[in-house]
Amino acid sequence: DQQVKQNSPSLSVQEGRISILNCDYTNSMFDYFLWYKKYPAEGPTFLISISSIKDKNEDGRFTVFLNKSAKHLSLHIVPSQPGDSAVYFCAAGSSNYKLTFGKGTLLTVNP
Amino acid sequence: ETGVTQTPRHLVMGMTNKKSLKCEQHLGHNAMYWYKQSAKKPLELMFVYSLEERVENNSVPSRFSPECPNSSHLFLHLHTLQPEDSALYLCASSQDASGRGSLETQYFGPGTRLLVL
Repeated sequence: DQQVKQNSPSLSVQEGRISILNCDYTNSMFDYFLWYKKYPAEGPTFLISISSIKDKNEDGRFTVFLNKSAKHLSLHIVPSQPGDSAVYFCAAGSSNYKLTFGKGTLLTVNP
Repeated sequence: ETGVTQTPRHLVMGMTNKKSLKCEQHLGHNAMYWYKQSAKKPLELMFVYSLEERVENNSVPSRFSPECPNSSHLFLHLHTLQPEDSALYLCASSQDASGRGSLETQYFGPGTRLLVL
């Protein structure tokens, strides 16, 4: 059973608008969450992370929100740019090295 | 050269071949990882090395054999693979993998796209 789920395989957004990527998890032991971005023919690139002691972390256009009670996190990108078009992976872990990844969401930002 | 590099980027091999994948990290990290990404599946952790010692073997078949000669280099030796082993193999590194502290962010290489015929 998947412990980290990204239920939307794809998302299409207009340039300048907000992109919201969602991720749900089932393991209450997870206390650290990351988002990675992946372009074709490249490895995943670390984007932003959040620990369970916070409910929000912001870095420029990227904000991650964590709702522990709902076991849900989301990545907001605003404003979205065509260069943001990529596959976004949500990952979760506890206080060791093991990361559990979701299947990814393909974001397409249209000019 | 910066970050995490992997060679070759693409590999086609027959089921009786022996080949090796190479990973090198230039980040001064102490931990290195092998992941497998099959089509429409999440990344699956295969092996973890911390300070050149294997700390995790995630039930990987013995036809995959990792080697970590030092903290900057990681190999994955392949022999008698099956067609279902065709996938993207990703290497990653992190500062530490001691399990004693907070989770360390992992940094990935570009991957080796493997096709087994």
